[in-house]
Amino acid sequence: DAMVIQNPRYQVTQFGKPVTLSCSQTLNHNVMYWYQQKSSQAPKLLFHYYDKDFNNEADTPDNFQSRRPNTSFCFLDIRSPGLGDAAMYLCATSRAEPGETQYFGPGTRLLVL
Amino acid sequence: SQQGEEDPQALSIQEGENATMNCSYKTSINNLQWYRQNSGRGLVHLILIRSNEREKHSGRLRVTLDTSKKSSSLLITASRAADTASYFCATVLRGTQGAQKLVFGQGTRLTINP
Repeated sequence: DAMVIQNPRYQVTQFGKPVTLSCSQTLNHNVMYWYQQKSSQAPKLLFHYYDKDFNNEADTPDNFQSRRPNTSFCFLDIRSPGLGDAAMYLCATSRAEPGETQYFGPGTRLLVL
Repeated sequence: SQQGEEDPQALSIQEGENATMNCSYKTSINNLQWYRQNSGRGLVHLILIRSNEREKHSGRLRVTLDTSKKSSSLLITASRAADTASYFCATVLRGTQGAQKLVFGQGTRLTINP
């Protein structure tokens, strides 16, 4: 059974057109993460939620925002996508305990035209 | 900046051979994790080794950790075509309220040739 689900798997948007990526989980984990992974690079953490508390990484562009309406769902909003935002976006979840591993979704590949 | 660096960046071996990937990191750690990523997919957790452990096994995987050298290695024995993937090491930074923030190395792209 899928535990971390990301929709859509592929998203095409136009330069400057807002886009929302979604993530849901069936694990009831209290922490959810969003990573950006550009081609042939390592995933890079954008932000995470502990329950409803939002935590932004210092170098995450203002263009990226997130919402977590409940435990199961988390959204990544890109307000004005640029060509440089084309990437794979990975959602992950974990419990907030030392040594806990993260469970990743399959990712959404974003293409900006 | 990236916490870890991995080498080699790419590795191509014959099926049945062993594959070794190395990871170096910069700061003190509580644990180090290895993940696998099939092309165009999410990451799958493979193994976690704590800072007070030197070696850990899981099936065909063997991970070592040398905290004095700030390095780790992942060995896959008797490789199979299905092991073809990218492998990432990740160190953990503690986020707020216990969240585990992963910092990934650049990864090793492993190709197993039949």
